[in-house]
Amino acid sequence: DQQVKQNSPSLSVQEGRISILNCDYTNSMFDYFLWYKKYPAEGPTFLISISSIKDKNEDGRFTVFLNKSAKHLSLHIVPSQPGDSAVYFCAASGGSNYKLTFGKGTLLTVNP
Amino acid sequence: GAGVSQSPSNKVTEKGKDVELRCDPISGHTALYWYRQSLGQGLEFLIYFQGNSAPDKSGLPSDRFSAERTGGSVSTLTIQRTQQEDSAVYLCASSLMAGPGELFFGEGSRLTVL
Repeated sequence: DQQVKQNSPSLSVQEGRISILNCDYTNSMFDYFLWYKKYPAEGPTFLISISSIKDKNEDGRFTVFLNKSAKHLSLHIVPSQPGDSAVYFCAASGGSNYKLTFGKGTLLTVNP
Repeated sequence: GAGVSQSPSNKVTEKGKDVELRCDPISGHTALYWYRQSLGQGLEFLIYFQGNSAPDKSGLPSDRFSAERTGGSVSTLTIQRTQQEDSAVYLCASSLMAGPGELFFGEGSRLTVL
């Protein structure tokens, strides 16, 4: 039972355009969401997070939107750069549960 | 170093052999996690250590898997009688304290069971 779903295995965008990565979750206990970025042969690195009390969090070119009613979050990257090419993982945790549940990831390719 | 260190980076073993994977977390981080990523899958939670509390082993897939954390620092994940389905990248992460928030990951140990 996949509690965090990233339905797009891959996404390709042009440099300078917006990248939108989507994530859906099923567990209504989740109240904290994170995005991680992973380059080949490296461990995932934290990108941005959002608490369920917010619906938007912005950090430079990266913005995460949370729609609690739809159990959906998205990561927007504007403008996209070739260096953003990586696998992006959505993760969630809930209540006092410290365990992060990860999606399968979306491979983003930004073409020059 | 300043980051989470894992060894070996690559391990090839024969089915039925035991393997040990090591994780050295960031100094001062009290929480330590093991995850694994099989081909085409997300990161699967295995086990969690927090300070001197009993570890949460709920993610370990079978009794062939065990982990310990000595002195609240270095952790070792042991897989006994390895099977081909154990092939994966095993990732260790640490955080300053328990609870939701940023985990710092190591580069992982890639295990291949022939």
